[in-house]
Amino acid sequence: GQQVMQIPQYQHVQEGEDFTTYCNSSTTLSNIQWYKQRPGGHPVFLIQLVKSGEVKKQKRLTFQFGEAKKNSSLHITATQTTDVGTYFCAGRGSGGSNYKLTFGKGTLLTVNP
Amino acid sequence: SAVISQKPSRDICQRGTSLTIQCQVDSQVTMMFWYRQQPGQSLTLIATANQGSEATYESGFVIDKFPISRPNLTFSTLTVSNMSPEDSSIYLCSVEGGTNEKLFFGSGTQLSVL
Repeated sequence: GQQVMQIPQYQHVQEGEDFTTYCNSSTTLSNIQWYKQRPGGHPVFLIQLVKSGEVKKQKRLTFQFGEAKKNSSLHITATQTTDVGTYFCAGRGSGGSNYKLTFGKGTLLTVNP
Repeated sequence: SAVISQKPSRDICQRGTSLTIQCQVDSQVTMMFWYRQQPGQSLTLIATANQGSEATYESGFVIDKFPISRPNLTFSTLTVSNMSPEDSSIYLCSVEGGTNEKLFFGSGTQLSVL
């Protein structure tokens, strides 16, 4: 079945440093979504990428979708303590029974003030 | 956006008992999803609940263990049956919405089985 791998599992940074998490799918995706889960909270949708090579920005967050639509990344510039949480990618397969979202294991980001 | 009320928020249960989790959405939705998130782990889809039909279970999850009800378009329940410590987890209900087919999640039920 469809698998979505995400690395690193953990990342600890000093406030102001950059952070990147990477996501890789075993199959070509129709789209990929990113979610953030604060400690003790539930996942909250950040963005969806659909097009090959797509890049989207949300303030200090930059999201990329690979040309082959099998990998994606989330980059945070100059992290802040408010960025703390677990970031999940979720890939949607190409159709049929694969159309459901498959979540990566997530990257837990901690920020030292 | 969708607002989802989920309860209970947490519970501590004895081995062998069952717990029913309720999920109420503020709008009518076709599908509701139930996820499990084990400690420090990702979200695993348990089943998709459709109104008026049997839930669709993912590989590794069975109806006898996780019976689901979907009596109307705004409500669903998930029962964790005959619980064991391995069922200790966070259970989340979710719906799709918006132009991105994004998921909205309830606040989750943290279950501990002793």
